[in-house]
Amino acid sequence: AQSVTQLDSHVSVSEGTPVLLRCNYSSSYSPSLFWYVQHPNKGLQLLLKYTSAATLVKGINGFEAEFKKSETSFHLTKPSAHMSDAAEYFCVVSDDVDTGRRALTFGSGTRLQVQP
Amino acid sequence: DGGITQSPKYLFRKEGQNVTLSCEQNLNHDAMYWYRQDPGQGLRLIYYSQIVNDFQKGDIAEGYSVSREKKESFPLTVTSAQKNPTAFYLCASTLRTGSPGKAFFGQGTRLTVV
Repeated sequence: AQSVTQLDSHVSVSEGTPVLLRCNYSSSYSPSLFWYVQHPNKGLQLLLKYTSAATLVKGINGFEAEFKKSETSFHLTKPSAHMSDAAEYFCVVSDDVDTGRRALTFGSGTRLQVQP
Repeated sequence: DGGITQSPKYLFRKEGQNVTLSCEQNLNHDAMYWYRQDPGQGLRLIYYSQIVNDFQKGDIAEGYSVSREKKESFPLTVTSAQKNPTAFYLCASTLRTGSPGKAFFGQGTRLTVV
């Protein structure tokens, strides 16, 4: 079975400092991994996705994530936080080959606060 | 423009009543999903459908029912058996289940039991 663990429920950074949102997963040998962002009162937006191509994935708004199979991690980073980055972030895994259940599994979310 | 439409945006239900949330997509996607969002718990899968006339239980299906009579539509019924129905409900679709493509989400329905 696939699962996703977001290691921090809340992360607070100062504007202009780096952002690190941590995600560990459990899945088949070739999972697809995503990061979604949800701003207050808005829908979910795809930030980036990993689908067995390059392990370092670049997304929108300066975010990127690195797929590390040995660590079963897919951490989200950004070199310099902006006030507009304050939102809820979800790590998502897809494709459960073992059970045949093919649905998106979401982590519990990380709320990012950006201090001025 | 293609997308997913959920309605209504806000819904109030009396205890003991069934209520149906609508989800329609014009993306020609095969797979559709229903998630429930509660504070601190992220998104949990209720039901999903890989194809018309077929659907599977997710992690928290008890107290819910769905149908998939048309490719475009995947309504969710919250029954009186659901013990704690007050939540934010999100509908999503992908081209195929498990496909590495992008998932599209509706704007959500906030259900409150009064």
